Amino acid sequence: GESVGLHLPTLSVQEGDNSIINCAYSNSASDYFIWYKQESGKGPQFIIDIRSNMDKRQGQRVTVLLNKTVKHLSLQIAATQPGDSAVYFCAEGISGSARQLTFGSGTQLTVLP
Amino acid sequence: GAVVSQHPSWVICKSGTSVKIECRSLDFQATTMFWYRQFPKQSLMLMATSNEGSKATYEQGVEKDKFLINHASLTLSTLTVTSAHPEDSSFYICSARDQRDVIEKLFFGSGTQLSVL
Repeated sequence: GESVGLHLPTLSVQEGDNSIINCAYSNSASDYFIWYKQESGKGPQFIIDIRSNMDKRQGQRVTVLLNKTVKHLSLQIAATQPGDSAVYFCAEGISGSARQLTFGSGTQLTVLP
Repeated sequence: GAVVSQHPSWVICKSGTSVKIECRSLDFQATTMFWYRQFPKQSLMLMATSNEGSKATYEQGVEKDKFLINHASLTLSTLTVTSAHPEDSSFYICSARDQRDVIEKLFFGSGTQLSVL
């Protein structure tokens, strides 16, 4: 469920390095997962999603990995750039369910020059 | 991708006044929209689920008389913070789901920073 009141974990990486942001989800029935990026003062933006019938999906410079056995999701960003600095949230959901997505607590990514 | 427009982006008001925030889906219809509150360095906190043509569903601890939600059409939901006080100062965000989608992807507005003096 949502982590209300917790402060965000942080990750700092050098510009040009790869970033890996991890997320543990809670509901074994969840079959749909999304990563969002939220820049300061803005709403979250969709990055990439994955269904539970896949364990890997690639986008432009981003890859999402899903391990259903341990209920773990990760977002890999290749060649991290200053514009990637933001808070990243994972979210889980159930296809066709009226329930809304459940968001993780988020990770603050800072790209160092 | 789908666009959700949220206005205003920021608002400053005096204590005791009411503030209305609009959330519009621009290129899709949304039977369900969601309203969140977010404090600095924290995650999204769901306040309520806005359902077109019916009453909103509020999360535990959220005062429905304080945060009035209206979802009168398939493209517009409004959140009114009534008799605002400094403790209501926060970042408010809406999201919407395309009713044609069978998956749960949400599209977010750009957020509204509310400052109550």
